[in-house]
Amino acid sequence: AQSVTQLDSQVPVFEEAPVELRCNYSSSVSVYLFWYVQYPNQGLQLLLKYLSGSTLVKGINGFEAEFNKSQTSFHLRKPSVHISDTAEYFCAVSDFYAGNMLTFGGGTRLMVKP
Amino acid sequence: GAVVSQHPSWVICKSGTSVKIECRSLDFQATTMFWYRQFPKQSLMLMATSNEGSKATYEQGVEKDKFLINHASLTLSTLTVTSAHPEDSSFYICSARAGSHEQYFGPGTRLTVT
Repeated sequence: AQSVTQLDSQVPVFEEAPVELRCNYSSSVSVYLFWYVQYPNQGLQLLLKYLSGSTLVKGINGFEAEFNKSQTSFHLRKPSVHISDTAEYFCAVSDFYAGNMLTFGGGTRLMVKP
Repeated sequence: GAVVSQHPSWVICKSGTSVKIECRSLDFQATTMFWYRQFPKQSLMLMATSNEGSKATYEQGVEKDKFLINHASLTLSTLTVTSAHPEDSSFYICSARAGSHEQYFGPGTRLTVT
Protein backbone atom coordinates (compact mmCIF):
# COMPACT_ATOMS: atom_id res chain seq x y z
CA ALA A 1 0.00 0.00 0.00
CA GLN A 2 1.07 3.54 -0.67
CA SER A 3 0.89 6.58 1.55
CA VAL A 4 1.76 10.23 1.21
CA THR A 5 2.63 12.63 4.01
CA GLN A 6 2.66 16.36 3.60
CA LEU A 7 4.46 17.54 6.68
CA ASP A 8 3.07 21.06 6.79
CA SER A 9 -0.64 21.75 6.82
CA GLN A 10 -0.05 25.48 6.37
CA VAL A 11 2.90 27.47 5.07
CA PRO A 12 2.77 31.25 5.42
CA VAL A 13 5.30 33.17 3.35
CA PHE A 14 5.82 36.72 2.21
CA GLU A 15 5.48 37.69 -1.42
CA GLU A 16 8.67 37.26 -3.49
CA ALA A 17 10.19 34.92 -0.89
CA PRO A 18 11.16 31.35 -1.78
CA VAL A 19 9.02 28.47 -0.61
CA GLU A 20 9.32 24.71 -0.21
CA LEU A 21 6.35 22.43 0.36
CA ARG A 22 7.39 19.06 1.68
CA CYS A 23 6.12 15.67 0.57
CA ASN A 24 7.22 12.22 1.64
CA TYR A 25 5.81 8.96 0.38
CA SER A 26 6.02 5.28 1.13
CA SER A 27 5.68 2.51 -1.41
CA SER A 28 7.13 -0.91 -1.99
CA VAL A 29 7.41 -0.42 -5.75
CA SER A 30 8.54 2.23 -8.16
CA VAL A 31 6.27 5.25 -8.06
CA TYR A 32 4.96 8.07 -10.14
CA LEU A 33 4.67 11.37 -8.29
CA PHE A 34 2.47 14.39 -8.84
CA TRP A 35 1.81 17.84 -7.44
CA TYR A 36 -1.60 19.42 -7.90
CA VAL A 37 -2.88 22.89 -6.99
CA GLN A 38 -6.45 23.64 -5.94
CA TYR A 39 -7.89 27.13 -5.83
CA PRO A 40 -11.00 27.75 -3.69
CA ASN A 41 -14.09 25.91 -4.91
CA GLN A 42 -12.28 24.51 -7.91
CA GLY A 43 -10.93 21.18 -9.05
CA LEU A 44 -7.31 20.19 -9.16
CA GLN A 45 -4.78 21.43 -11.69
CA LEU A 46 -1.62 19.47 -12.42
CA LEU A 47 1.53 21.44 -11.57
CA LEU A 48 4.10 18.82 -12.45
CA LYS A 49 4.78 15.11 -12.46
CA TYR A 50 7.66 12.68 -12.15
CA LEU A 51 7.38 9.45 -14.13
CA SER A 52 11.01 8.59 -14.81
CA GLY A 53 14.28 10.13 -15.96
CA SER A 54 15.64 13.38 -14.55
CA THR A 55 14.90 13.75 -10.88
CA LEU A 56 14.43 17.51 -11.18
CA VAL A 57 11.06 18.24 -12.68
CA LYS A 58 9.89 21.65 -13.83
CA GLY A 59 6.23 22.52 -13.94
CA ILE A 60 3.89 25.38 -14.60
CA ASN A 61 3.84 28.73 -12.84
CA GLY A 62 7.57 28.56 -12.02
CA PHE A 63 7.31 25.55 -9.72
CA GLU A 64 9.76 22.67 -9.66
CA ALA A 65 10.19 19.51 -7.62
CA GLU A 66 12.98 17.06 -7.00
CA PHE A 67 12.50 13.33 -6.65
CA ASN A 68 14.79 11.86 -4.01
CA LYS A 69 14.48 8.11 -3.95
CA SER A 70 16.75 7.52 -0.96
CA GLN A 71 14.75 9.96 1.16
CA THR A 72 11.42 9.01 -0.46
CA SER A 73 10.66 12.67 -0.94
CA PHE A 74 9.25 14.88 -3.66
CA HIS A 75 9.41 18.43 -2.32
CA LEU A 76 7.91 21.30 -4.29
CA ARG A 77 9.80 24.58 -4.60
CA LYS A 78 9.40 28.03 -6.06
CA PRO A 79 12.15 30.67 -5.85
CA SER A 80 9.80 33.65 -5.62
CA VAL A 81 6.10 33.39 -4.82
CA HIS A 82 3.26 35.69 -5.80
CA ILE A 83 0.01 36.51 -4.06
CA SER A 84 -1.74 34.49 -6.76
CA ASP A 85 0.06 31.34 -5.60
CA THR A 86 -2.12 31.28 -2.49
CA ALA A 87 -3.92 27.95 -2.76
CA GLU A 88 -4.03 24.38 -1.51
CA TYR A 89 -1.31 22.08 -2.82
CA PHE A 90 -1.61 18.31 -2.94
CA CYS A 91 1.12 15.76 -3.44
CA ALA A 92 -0.01 12.43 -4.90
CA VAL A 93 1.54 9.08 -5.73
CA SER A 94 0.64 6.30 -8.10
CA ASP A 95 2.41 3.24 -9.40
CA PHE A 96 2.24 0.85 -12.30
CA TYR A 97 0.18 -1.66 -10.34
CA ALA A 98 -2.26 0.93 -9.03
CA GLY A 99 -3.74 1.44 -12.46
CA ASN A 100 -3.71 5.23 -12.34
CA MET A 101 -5.24 5.36 -8.89
CA LEU A 102 -3.82 8.29 -7.01
CA THR A 103 -3.15 8.41 -3.29
CA PHE A 104 -3.19 11.98 -2.04
CA GLY A 105 -1.43 13.64 0.83
CA GLY A 106 -3.36 15.74 3.29
CA GLY A 107 -2.61 18.98 1.48
CA THR A 108 -0.64 22.10 2.32
CA ARG A 109 -2.23 25.50 2.42
CA LEU A 110 0.20 28.05 0.98
CA MET A 111 -0.61 31.55 2.19
CA VAL A 112 1.32 34.32 0.48
CA LYS A 113 1.29 37.60 2.35
CA PRO A 114 2.03 41.03 0.88
CA GLY B 1 -6.89 19.94 -24.44
CA ALA B 2 -7.93 17.37 -21.82
CA VAL B 3 -10.81 19.31 -20.31
CA VAL B 4 -13.20 17.73 -17.84
CA SER B 5 -16.48 19.38 -16.93
CA GLN B 6 -18.94 18.74 -14.13
CA HIS B 7 -22.57 19.67 -13.88
CA PRO B 8 -23.97 21.15 -11.79
CA SER B 9 -21.25 23.20 -10.12
CA TRP B 10 -23.38 23.46 -7.02
CA VAL B 11 -26.68 22.02 -5.88
CA ILE B 12 -28.90 22.31 -2.83
CA CYS B 13 -31.39 19.55 -2.18
CA LYS B 14 -33.70 18.43 0.57
CA SER B 15 -32.99 15.47 2.75
CA GLY B 16 -34.37 12.26 1.26
CA THR B 17 -34.15 13.33 -2.36
CA SER B 18 -31.67 12.13 -4.98
CA VAL B 19 -29.13 14.19 -6.86
CA LYS B 20 -27.29 13.37 -10.07
CA ILE B 21 -23.87 14.81 -10.89
CA GLU B 22 -22.43 14.55 -14.38
CA CYS B 23 -18.77 14.31 -15.33
CA ARG B 24 -17.79 14.78 -18.97
CA SER B 25 -14.50 14.58 -20.81
CA LEU B 26 -14.90 17.28 -23.44
CA ASP B 27 -12.09 16.65 -25.89
CA PHE B 28 -10.94 13.11 -25.24
CA GLN B 29 -12.35 9.69 -24.56
CA ALA B 30 -12.00 8.30 -21.09
CA THR B 31 -12.46 4.61 -20.44
CA THR B 32 -11.82 5.24 -16.77
CA MET B 33 -13.12 8.01 -14.56
CA PHE B 34 -12.69 8.48 -10.84
CA TRP B 35 -15.02 10.02 -8.25
CA TYR B 36 -13.63 11.75 -5.18
CA ARG B 37 -15.15 13.36 -2.14
CA GLN B 38 -13.56 16.25 -0.31
CA PHE B 39 -14.61 17.62 3.06
CA PRO B 40 -13.68 21.19 4.03
CA LYS B 41 -9.98 21.67 4.59
CA GLN B 42 -9.30 18.01 3.90
CA SER B 43 -7.74 15.98 1.14
CA LEU B 44 -9.51 14.07 -1.61
CA MET B 45 -10.90 10.68 -0.78
CA LEU B 46 -11.37 8.25 -3.66
CA MET B 47 -14.92 6.92 -3.66
CA ALA B 48 -14.98 4.76 -6.77
CA THR B 49 -13.44 3.97 -10.10
CA SER B 50 -15.82 4.11 -13.02
CA ASN B 51 -15.13 2.02 -16.11
CA GLU B 52 -17.05 2.49 -19.34
CA GLY B 53 -19.44 -0.37 -19.97
CA SER B 54 -18.90 -2.14 -16.66
CA LYS B 55 -19.74 -1.82 -12.99
CA ALA B 56 -17.89 0.69 -10.90
CA THR B 57 -15.36 -0.40 -8.32
CA TYR B 58 -16.06 1.13 -4.94
CA GLU B 59 -13.54 1.85 -2.22
CA GLN B 60 -13.95 0.25 1.15
CA GLY B 61 -16.56 1.99 3.24
CA VAL B 62 -18.38 3.60 0.32
CA GLU B 63 -21.98 2.44 -0.02
CA LYS B 64 -22.56 1.43 -3.61
CA ASP B 65 -26.35 1.50 -3.21
CA LYS B 66 -26.19 5.07 -2.00
CA PHE B 67 -23.68 6.41 -4.48
CA LEU B 68 -24.77 5.04 -7.86
CA ILE B 69 -22.24 5.39 -10.64
CA ASN B 70 -23.00 4.95 -14.33
CA HIS B 71 -20.33 5.24 -17.02
CA ALA B 72 -22.58 4.97 -20.06
CA SER B 73 -20.21 6.32 -22.69
CA LEU B 74 -16.56 7.14 -23.22
CA THR B 75 -17.18 10.77 -22.33
CA LEU B 76 -19.76 10.66 -19.56
CA SER B 77 -19.93 9.27 -16.05
CA THR B 78 -22.66 10.11 -13.56
CA LEU B 79 -22.79 9.93 -9.79
CA THR B 80 -26.23 9.78 -8.19
CA VAL B 81 -26.49 10.40 -4.47
CA THR B 82 -29.65 8.58 -3.45
CA SER B 83 -31.78 9.49 -0.43
CA ALA B 84 -29.37 12.27 0.44
CA HIS B 85 -28.78 13.25 4.06
CA PRO B 86 -27.03 16.30 5.51
CA GLU B 87 -23.89 14.22 6.16
CA ASP B 88 -23.62 13.71 2.38
CA SER B 89 -22.97 17.42 1.99
CA SER B 90 -19.53 17.70 0.49
CA PHE B 91 -17.48 18.71 -2.53
CA TYR B 92 -17.52 15.98 -5.16
CA ILE B 93 -14.77 15.93 -7.79
CA CYS B 94 -14.39 13.65 -10.77
CA SER B 95 -11.34 12.95 -12.88
CA ALA B 96 -10.80 11.22 -16.18
CA ARG B 97 -7.83 9.18 -17.26
CA ALA B 98 -6.05 10.37 -20.37
CA GLY B 99 -3.12 8.23 -21.37
CA SER B 100 -1.35 5.87 -19.04
CA HIS B 101 -0.43 8.24 -16.24
CA GLU B 102 -2.56 11.33 -16.53
CA GLN B 103 -5.71 12.21 -14.65
CA TYR B 104 -7.54 15.42 -15.46
CA PHE B 105 -9.89 16.79 -12.86
CA GLY B 106 -13.25 18.42 -13.15
CA PRO B 107 -14.04 21.69 -11.36
CA GLY B 108 -16.06 19.96 -8.66
CA THR B 109 -19.68 20.00 -7.49
CA ARG B 110 -20.67 21.46 -4.15
CA LEU B 111 -23.59 19.47 -2.70
CA THR B 112 -25.55 20.85 0.23
CA VAL B 113 -28.31 18.74 1.73
CA THR B 114 -30.77 20.59 3.94
